[in-house]
Amino acid sequence: DQQVKQNSPSLSVQEGRISILNCDYTNSMFDYFLWYKKYPAEGPTFLISISSIKDKNEDGRFTVFLNKSAKHLSLHIVPSQPGDSAVYFCAASRSSYDKVIFGPGTSLSVIP
Amino acid sequence: GAGVSQTPSNKVTEKGKYVELRCDPISGHTALYWYRQSLGQGPEFLIYFQGTGAADDSGLPNDRFFAVRPEGSVSTLKIQRTERGDSAVYLCASSLGNNQPQHFGDGTRLSIL
Repeated sequence: DQQVKQNSPSLSVQEGRISILNCDYTNSMFDYFLWYKKYPAEGPTFLISISSIKDKNEDGRFTVFLNKSAKHLSLHIVPSQPGDSAVYFCAASRSSYDKVIFGPGTSLSVIP
Repeated sequence: GAGVSQTPSNKVTEKGKYVELRCDPISGHTALYWYRQSLGQGPEFLIYFQGTGAADDSGLPNDRFFAVRPEGSVSTLKIQRTERGDSAVYLCASSLGNNQPQHFGDGTRLSIL
């Protein structure tokens, strides 16, 4: 049973436009959410996180939105740049318990 | 650098052999995690250490897998009697603790022939 789902395996966006990556989760006990970016042959790199007490967190071009009632979060990248092309993983955990559950990833291609 | 270091970066061995994978966490990080990633999937949790003790080993697939962290810093993931299905990228991560982001190494690509 996949607790963190990323239903879009891939996404293509024109440079300069907005990229929106979506993530759904099933476990209502999750209260800490993260996004990681991964380039080939490298480990995942932490991008941005959000606690369940917030519904939005922004860091430069990256914004994460959390809708707890829908058990849905999204990552917005604006403006998208070719260097953003990578696989993006959504992840979730419970605050009292450090095990992090990852989604299967979405491969983003930003076209120059 | 000051990141998580994993060695070797690649390991090829025959079915039935024993392998050890090493992880050097970021200095000062008390929490250490092992994950396994297969092609097209996200990292799958294996085991989590807080200090020297395994706080959660529920992700280890069977008793052929074992991990240690004897001094609360470097950790070794050990796999006995390897099988072809063990082939994957094994990732290590460390963090400062609860609700802190995990920082990953580049992984060890394990291939069982």
